[in-house]
Amino acid sequence: GENVEQHPSTLSVQEGDSAVIKCTYSDSASNYFPWYKQELGKRPQLIIDIRSNVGEKKDQRIAVTLNKTAKHFSLHITETQPEDSAVYFCAALRGNQGGKLIFGQGTELSVKP
Amino acid sequence: NAGVTQTPKFRILKIGQSMTLQCTQDMNHNYMYWYRQDPGMGLKLIYYSVGAGITDKGEVPNGYNVSRSTTEDFPLRLELAAPSQTSVYFCATHRGSSSYEQYFGPGTRLTVT
Repeated sequence: GENVEQHPSTLSVQEGDSAVIKCTYSDSASNYFPWYKQELGKRPQLIIDIRSNVGEKKDQRIAVTLNKTAKHFSLHITETQPEDSAVYFCAALRGNQGGKLIFGQGTELSVKP
Repeated sequence: NAGVTQTPKFRILKIGQSMTLQCTQDMNHNYMYWYRQDPGMGLKLIYYSVGAGITDKGEVPNGYNVSRSTTEDFPLRLELAAPSQTSVYFCATHRGSSSYEQYFGPGTRLTVT
């Protein structure tokens, strides 16, 4: 089955710096890769996603890149702000598997003012 | 639209007790999921359903049961609660078809002592 590895587990940056979180997946048939942000005590919320027919997607300060050959994808946050502090999860899904998302272990991002 | 609702918000169980976690959605989504999130970890899929009357196991189904008699409701049953089931439980839905975005409920925090 699918396995998703996420690194780093914790990341501390200064406000205004960029943050990069990386994930690798094992199933080459996976075709959908979302990123979720989870604030303390809250539910996960989708912040950006990418499908396997696209190499990069941007939404304001957030971007995701996908390398299908290497089976890895990354989240890039530019001009970080204190409100970006949260736990970020990557996930992978095989489209014909009933929507079963396999999550990475999470990255705790801390943005210091 | 309430989206995805879960009850209760918190619960403490004694070892060996049983309970049902409720999940209801008003989005008319076919797909529903139960995840558990242990402290500092990612989400693990317990069970999922692709429509009323159809359920299937996820990554960690042992000790749990589900049913899906209606589109709206997807209860998760814990029989003979064990300390290892102490976790936060999230229900999620997605529309299916070509849309993969999952919408999460607010979660149920369960402690088994």
